[in-house]
Amino acid sequence: GQNIDQPTEMTATEGAIVQINCTYQTSGFNGLFWYQQHAGEAPTFLSYNVLDGLEEKGRFSSFLSRSKGYSYLLLKELQMKDSASYLCAVLSSDYKLSFGAGTTVTVRA
Amino acid sequence: GAVVSQHPSWVICKSGTSVKIECRSLDFQATTMFWYRQFPKQSLMLMATSNEGSKATYEQGVEKDKFLINHASLTLSTLTVTSAHPEDSSFYICSARDLGQGDYNEQFFGPGTRLTVL
Repeated sequence: GQNIDQPTEMTATEGAIVQINCTYQTSGFNGLFWYQQHAGEAPTFLSYNVLDGLEEKGRFSSFLSRSKGYSYLLLKELQMKDSASYLCAVLSSDYKLSFGAGTTVTVRA
Repeated sequence: GAVVSQHPSWVICKSGTSVKIECRSLDFQATTMFWYRQFPKQSLMLMATSNEGSKATYEQGVEKDKFLINHASLTLSTLTVTSAHPEDSSFYICSARDLGQGDYNEQFFGPGTRLTVL
């Protein structure tokens, strides 16, 4: 099974940087996803890491260390619209996604 | 990009009735679709994996006789909540894998269906 941990809440100021950490324990690993979810909506894809290292995509970057069971999502130049829940999800060897509980990010002016 | 739709987007029903939710992949074929449930302020929990032309695989603790899944074609999977009760009220989300993007292993999510059982 999977055990995925991420902080419950984070608050940051508009224009700042926030890093959301995710640790996981898995019996099989096929990659790690980060999703953004606004209240009442489905998750939207942000990033995918399957190899160690940093993946950069605009204002969002994601890092993975498989040996440490650790990932982070970095949000730069925060905007008010970035206020949302951010979900860390691990893809197992049977292609099932297991989600963390989500981190609610609040961006303040 | 790959688009997944769900219908209805929200539904209110009386306790004891059955509700059917449709999940469609609009511009790709999906041999595998997934059904998730999300309670307020909680994360998505996988309920079952739906495979085209075969029986669904249910996660532990999910009653297969209560949550009927049919995956009759490569673009459509349905979830029927039978004899719904207030505790079944939740946000139901489906996702689908696009076999044409195998390198990414990405699942594309539908917009979700909000079920409220009175």
